[in-house]
Amino acid sequence: DAMVIQNPRYQVTQFGKPVTLSCSQTLNHNVMYWYQQKSSQAPKLLFHYYDKDFNNEADTPDNFQSRRPNTSFCFLDIRSPGLGDAAMYLCATSRDAGAEKLFFGSGTQLSVL
Amino acid sequence: AQSVTQPDIHITVSEGASLELRCNYSYGATPYLFWYVQSPGQGLQLLLKYFSGDTLVQGIKGFEAEFKRSQSSFNLRKPSVHWSDAAEYFCAVSTSGTYKYIFGTGTRLKVLA
Repeated sequence: DAMVIQNPRYQVTQFGKPVTLSCSQTLNHNVMYWYQQKSSQAPKLLFHYYDKDFNNEADTPDNFQSRRPNTSFCFLDIRSPGLGDAAMYLCATSRDAGAEKLFFGSGTQLSVL
Repeated sequence: AQSVTQPDIHITVSEGASLELRCNYSYGATPYLFWYVQSPGQGLQLLLKYFSGDTLVQGIKGFEAEFKRSQSSFNLRKPSVHWSDAAEYFCAVSTSGTYKYIFGTGTRLKVLA
């Protein structure tokens, strides 16, 4: 089945130690998104790619970076994780903008010790 | 400011009872409205969406939602809840040409046997 896959499911890192989360899709969608979701809060958009075009949200900290080497893969790099970065990170895809359905992966739960 | 409000953080219903989850939005442009469901530890899955036309939309798993422009609302309903409906429900809004989907903070549904 076509889907969005996130690895790992759980990630534990140390304060200040760089960490990379990965996302892959078999849907061949143009757009890939990274959302941060903290407990009992709405998913918050960090950035998205339209094809290779990177779009950062204005309030996304510089500590968060992303790479999309090809259509299928997208990575979230957290350069120096702080305790406040502990959250569920959700990858999503869509064919295009606005009216399109978002397809979500199962998420990576990040813990920062 | 663009926003989505889900006034009920938690709702508890008995299995077989009817359900209504509330969603109000504030959005400058013509809204596209969505309801997503998130089971514990999972990503979000689309239940239904409204773009235009008939204001009562049908979704998966027996859910429906009604768009009321005059009330800026898009409430989700189900006539008879099943225990498997226990999850968190998110209302979201976007518009044509944008990649930014604004999510509400969610309503956690508990179903009593």
